[in-house]
Amino acid sequence: DTAVSQTPKYLVTQMGNDKSIKCEQNLGHDTMYWYKQDSKKFLKIMFSYNNKELIINETVPNRFSPKSPDKAHLNLHINSLELGDSAVYFCASSQSPGQGNTIYFGEGSWLTVV
Amino acid sequence: SQKIEQNSEALNIQEGKTATLTCNYTNYSPAYLQWYRQDPGRGPVFLLLIRENEKEKRKERLKVTFDTTLKQSLFHITASQPADSATYLCAPNTGFQKLVFGTGTRLLVSP
Repeated sequence: DTAVSQTPKYLVTQMGNDKSIKCEQNLGHDTMYWYKQDSKKFLKIMFSYNNKELIINETVPNRFSPKSPDKAHLNLHINSLELGDSAVYFCASSQSPGQGNTIYFGEGSWLTVV
Repeated sequence: SQKIEQNSEALNIQEGKTATLTCNYTNYSPAYLQWYRQDPGRGPVFLLLIRENEKEKRKERLKVTFDTTLKQSLFHITASQPADSATYLCAPNTGFQKLVFGTGTRLLVSP
């Protein structure tokens, strides 16, 4: 009965590969997010979708492509992985943003690019 | 540019004392500010929200203040316990339908 679940939890891959991280929420929220937390623990928003529409895209390289097949899912596909992509990627969800609604985070996906 | 600053160094305190964490922001005026807790290897978990028209908010042993003049929020944990050891993140909203998180302050409560 996990609220926000993401898979895989750990991912080790070589430079140049393409990988995907999947996310699902069962909270009935209409907004989902991807955040990246780097080695310095800085948590930075990458994308936000509201009702399957992209509303925030924070100057992320276009190697990163989010896809939201429905309100409960937001997947992240990364092409041509680079060493600097190594980080923890958190999926999250909330009711409509900008209202002070709580953001619920998944447990994170640890991506290591070698 | 908008900036959020939290103490980057860990805060070490003894069990039973009050922990006070600081969040300073510059170049914008958030309508509200949230505090989250993050344990190692886990995602952040929401703790408290305080709005710009509120000076103080409490929840059990937690207290948050919000000074819009100083552009600062203080997060207090009274009667701290080792289980309170974690990283605490502040997140003022930016008015663009998103929260921006500070880098967090690591709190270590020793028995």
